[in-house]
Amino acid sequence: QKEVEQDPGPLSVPEGAIVSLNCTYSNSAFQYFMWYRQYSRKGPELLMYTYSSGNKEDGRFTAQVDKSSKYISLFIRDSQPSDSATYLCAMGSSYKLIFGSGTRLLVRP
Amino acid sequence: EPEVTQTPSHQVTQMGQEVILRCVPISNHLYFYWYRQILGQKVEFLVSFYNNEISEKSEIFDDQFSVERPDGSNFTLKIRSTKLEDSAMYFCASIPNRGLGGANVLTFGAGSRLTVL
Repeated sequence: QKEVEQDPGPLSVPEGAIVSLNCTYSNSAFQYFMWYRQYSRKGPELLMYTYSSGNKEDGRFTAQVDKSSKYISLFIRDSQPSDSATYLCAMGSSYKLIFGSGTRLLVRP
Repeated sequence: EPEVTQTPSHQVTQMGQEVILRCVPISNHLYFYWYRQILGQKVEFLVSFYNNEISEKSEIFDDQFSVERPDGSNFTLKIRSTKLEDSAMYFCASIPNRGLGGANVLTFGAGSRLTVL
């Protein structure tokens, strides 16, 4: 089983839709969880991070972690065409992060 | 906003040649990282560096790779004898400290694209 699994998509939604992006993981030692956004040929840009189970909200973005199920989610409300990008989950417990393969999101005007 | 700067943005090299990728981390950051992303694949950890020594490295980071902080600002990744499969985007990242519980909230550079022919 891969340490971090993420559906590669692509996920295509109309503008204004609520987007749900998900990752599962197998390593119960992971302590912190991040979501990065990556535009084509650019470096990953941090969106959200959290250390614990539960929800964390920042504007239109909500990160959710369920450690008992080893499942994390990112919700995007009122999605915009500018949200079109690849979304990477990442998690870790030491000096390194383990990334998911990324979900490509397309928000149609 | 402070950023991690990487050069060159794109390098093309012949197989077997040495390549040095350069990074200028954010000035007050103490921990430095290299990750790579082969086209269409996931971002993979290569190495972490703190206090002028390697903290952790992955199985990808073999004897062909080395890192160095030659002065107070630059952080370099050297590939001694490039192979075709080294073609990838290489991302430098840094954090100020390990924070709460050792969290690595990395700030990434824009990347250096390496093409090995």
